[in-house]
Amino acid sequence: AQKITQTQPGMFVQEKEAVTLDCTYDTSDPSYGLFWYKQPSSGEMIFLIYQGSYDQQNATEGRYSLNFQKARKSANLVISASQLGDSAMYFCAMREGRSYIPTFGRGTSLIVHP
Amino acid sequence: DTAVSQTPKYLVTQMGNDKSIKCEQNLGHDTMYWYKQDSKKFLKIMFSYNNKELIINETVPNRFSPKSPDKAHLNLHINSLELGDSAVYFCASSQNSGLGETQYFGPGTRLLVL
Repeated sequence: AQKITQTQPGMFVQEKEAVTLDCTYDTSDPSYGLFWYKQPSSGEMIFLIYQGSYDQQNATEGRYSLNFQKARKSANLVISASQLGDSAMYFCAMREGRSYIPTFGRGTSLIVHP
Repeated sequence: DTAVSQTPKYLVTQMGNDKSIKCEQNLGHDTMYWYKQDSKKFLKIMFSYNNKELIINETVPNRFSPKSPDKAHLNLHINSLELGDSAVYFCASSQNSGLGETQYFGPGTRLLVL
C-alpha cells in the first residue's frame, strides 16, 4: 500500500488565486512528520513546510500553509495568492518514527496561469 | 555558497561501465542521503548515513555502493551500469536523522545509460 497518495497529477490555477494540493498518508505509527517540497523545472528540490504529528496547530510559512487533518490522515498544502513562479511539481513526504525512512508521493504538477 | 553540491551534473555513459557521483555538504550536517528520481518523477530513498554510519539501506542492487569518507561527503559508486539506472540522483543532507529534520537537496545528477 502506498504510504503517501497525491491524487492530483496536475492542477491549474489563476495567478493571485489560492490553490490546494491534496496529500493523504497511511501509517499506524503515532509519531511521524509530514513535509512538502517544490521541484521547479530547473530540477532542484526545495523544502516548503513541515508538520509534526503531535503539532497542535497547522503549520504556516509565508504563503504556504498546511491543512492538517489527523483523523482523516490528510496534509493538504494551501498556496495563497499564487504567483507564476509557483509553477512546479509539488511533493508530499512522510517520515515515520519507527523507521525514519522518508517516503515521497508521486507529486502534483501545478501550473499557474497569468 | 552552495550548501549541497553534486558532481557531475550530467553523466552519459555506456552500459556495463562503472561510475561515481560525488556529494559534499558545507552545512555541518550529520546525516546525508541518496535518492533516485525516475522518469515519472518518483523519488525513492536509496541510502542514508549518519556520522559516516549507514542507517538506511533500501532495496537497492548491490551494484550501488555508497561511501562516506567523512560526514561532509557521501559518494555513490555504481558498478556495471544498466539501462534502468538512467535517472536523476539526488544527494541530500539534514542536521541529524531526527523525525522532523528538514532535508536540503543537491541540484541532482542526471545519469543517462546508453
